[in-house]
Amino acid sequence: GENVEQHPSTLSVQEGDSAVIKCTYSDSASNYFPWYKQELGKGPQLIIDIRSNVGEKKDQRIAVTLNKTAKHFSLHITETQPEDSAVYFCAAEGIRNNDMRFGAGTRLTVKP
Amino acid sequence: DTGVSQDPRHKITKRGQNVTFRCDPISEHNRLYWYRQTLGQGPEFLTYFQNEAQLEKSRLLSDRFSAERPKGSFSTLEIQRTEQGDSAMYLCASSLSRGGWSNQPQHFGDGTRLSIL
Repeated sequence: GENVEQHPSTLSVQEGDSAVIKCTYSDSASNYFPWYKQELGKGPQLIIDIRSNVGEKKDQRIAVTLNKTAKHFSLHITETQPEDSAVYFCAAEGIRNNDMRFGAGTRLTVKP
Repeated sequence: DTGVSQDPRHKITKRGQNVTFRCDPISEHNRLYWYRQTLGQGPEFLTYFQNEAQLEKSRLLSDRFSAERPKGSFSTLEIQRTEQGDSAMYLCASSLSRGGWSNQPQHFGDGTRLSIL
């Protein structure tokens, strides 16, 4: 089955700096890669996703890149703000839409 | 608020008791998923429904766990004879399956936190 590895487990940046979180996956059949933000006491909130036919996607300060050959994808957050502090999860899913696997999460802290 | 709703938000019970959680998905969503999340980990898939049909169960879902979605709308997850290891956050998500791309975003509720004493 799919295995998703996520790094780093914790990340601390100064406000205004960029943050990068990286994930690798094992199943070459995976073709959908969402990213979720989870705040304390809340469920995961979808922030951006990318499909296998796209190499990069951007939404304001958030961007995701995908390298299918290397089986890795990354989340980039620019101009970080204290409210970006949360746990971020990457995930990978195959075509059946019922086998989503999550990484272990990255705790991002943005220091004001 | 038309997001995914879960009830209760917290449940504390003694080992050996039965518990039941409810999930109300986004109204037009035909797929509903249950996940379990333990501290410091990402959500782990338990089971999912397409309308009222339960189409897949994870090996994590022991025979003490049962899920239903009788009318294709809300779903319940029951755990019988709870054990300490069942302590976790139980998350529900829903999505709208449509033709073409089968991968559609899953939207999560805020979960039910279960604590077994």
